Amino acid sequence: AQSVTQLGSHVSVSEGALVLLRCNYSSSVPPYLFWYVQYPNQGLQLLLKYTSAATLVKGINGFEAEFKKSETSFHLTKPSAHMSDAAEYFCAVSDSNFGGFKTIFGAGTRLFVKA
Amino acid sequence: SQTIHQWPATLVQPVGSPLSLECTVEGTSNPNLYWYRQAAGRGLQLLFYSVGIGQISSEVPQNLSASRPQDRQFILSSKKLLLSDSGFYLCAGERTGSGYTFGSGTRLTVV
Repeated sequence: AQSVTQLGSHVSVSEGALVLLRCNYSSSVPPYLFWYVQYPNQGLQLLLKYTSAATLVKGINGFEAEFKKSETSFHLTKPSAHMSDAAEYFCAVSDSNFGGFKTIFGAGTRLFVKA
Repeated sequence: SQTIHQWPATLVQPVGSPLSLECTVEGTSNPNLYWYRQAAGRGLQLLFYSVGIGQISSEVPQNLSASRPQDRQFILSSKKLLLSDSGFYLCAGERTGSGYTFGSGTRLTVV
């Protein structure tokens, strides 16, 4: 069975500081991994995805994530936070054999960016 | 690219009233479609998914139902709303392995 754990329901950083949002997953088959961002009262937007190609994945808005199989992690990072990055971020794991049917979302991490 | 259209953006309905939320897809044929509910401060709960016309799978027992009358149309319904049905409803479309494209959501408040 698949599962995903996001460490920290809230993360606060200063503008210009490193953003690190943690995600650990569990999957019995090679996973597809995703990060989504949600701004208030909007749907989720795909930031980046890992589908067994390069382990370092670059996404939109300067975000990237590294797939580490040995650590079963897929942490999201951005070198320098911007005020516009304040949002909720969701990590998700999908069974590569079944696609979205088996997608499990984490509980989300709300990112606060201080001026 | 795929675009998900969802309406209305907000809805206030009395307890016991019916519900119909519509989702349409643009830019893709034969997508997998999903209805999620997001309660305040919580993650996403999968309600229904569909792999094709007339094919609906339910993930949780509830008083909601879903239908897919056309390839690019996915409808969430209820005959009688409960207070507990309040939440943020999201429709999503998916191509296997590509991740989801979400609609902008409907905030439903049952009063």
